[in-house]
Amino acid sequence: ETGVTQTPRHLVMGMTNKKSLKCEQHLGHNAMYWYKQSAKKPLELMFVYNFKEQTENNSVPSRFSPECPNSSHLFLHLHTLQPEDSALYLCASSQANRDEQFFGPGTRLTVL
Amino acid sequence: GDSVTQMEGPVTLSEEAFLTINCTYTATGYPSLFWYVQYPGEGLQLLLKATKADDKGSNKGFEATYRKETTSFHLEKGSVQVSDSAVYFCALTNYGGSQGNLIFGKGTKLSVKP
Repeated sequence: ETGVTQTPRHLVMGMTNKKSLKCEQHLGHNAMYWYKQSAKKPLELMFVYNFKEQTENNSVPSRFSPECPNSSHLFLHLHTLQPEDSALYLCASSQANRDEQFFGPGTRLTVL
Repeated sequence: GDSVTQMEGPVTLSEEAFLTINCTYTATGYPSLFWYVQYPGEGLQLLLKATKADDKGSNKGFEATYRKETTSFHLEKGSVQVSDSAVYFCALTNYGGSQGNLIFGKGTKLSVKP
């Protein structure tokens, strides 16, 4: 248990659906991250939030929309996804400008 | 830009064998280096880290030494167990270059047979 939880753990959705992934951290951190892990590529950083402000968007398609309402919660809103978006989506948190990131267990997403 | 290269897997060993997973990096300045481990069905966990040259990180019998002269951070364990079967990721963060975001290698899958 790393102090970072993600729900749901598994999600199957059609290309026309809208769904959201949720991440919550109980560590008092002020930076949160979304990563994508797929079989064919290394871990890809998608978004970074520091003190609820988005500080990085790694050229992620607009069908992925992050939201960080407070320093403990991070969402990833999904709409009109493609089958190639099927992957494990990992959330992480850290103290801003500190080295160590703590990861959640991930959401396994399958797009049909 | 900054990058991490680690040996391709999968690596298959017998229990009690010696493990080495090679990792080299390219970065400006003085990055911090990490090994993360991902057990089946789980997220990543920090295994060990080193923040400056010649530092040795260690945890659960694993060790890695930050070698600036060879830009390497190889992971070693003297006697692996079946429970060590997982995917291992080498990573760096570099406030001088990549603004502190983690940059990962591709991962090396380790399978340990009884």
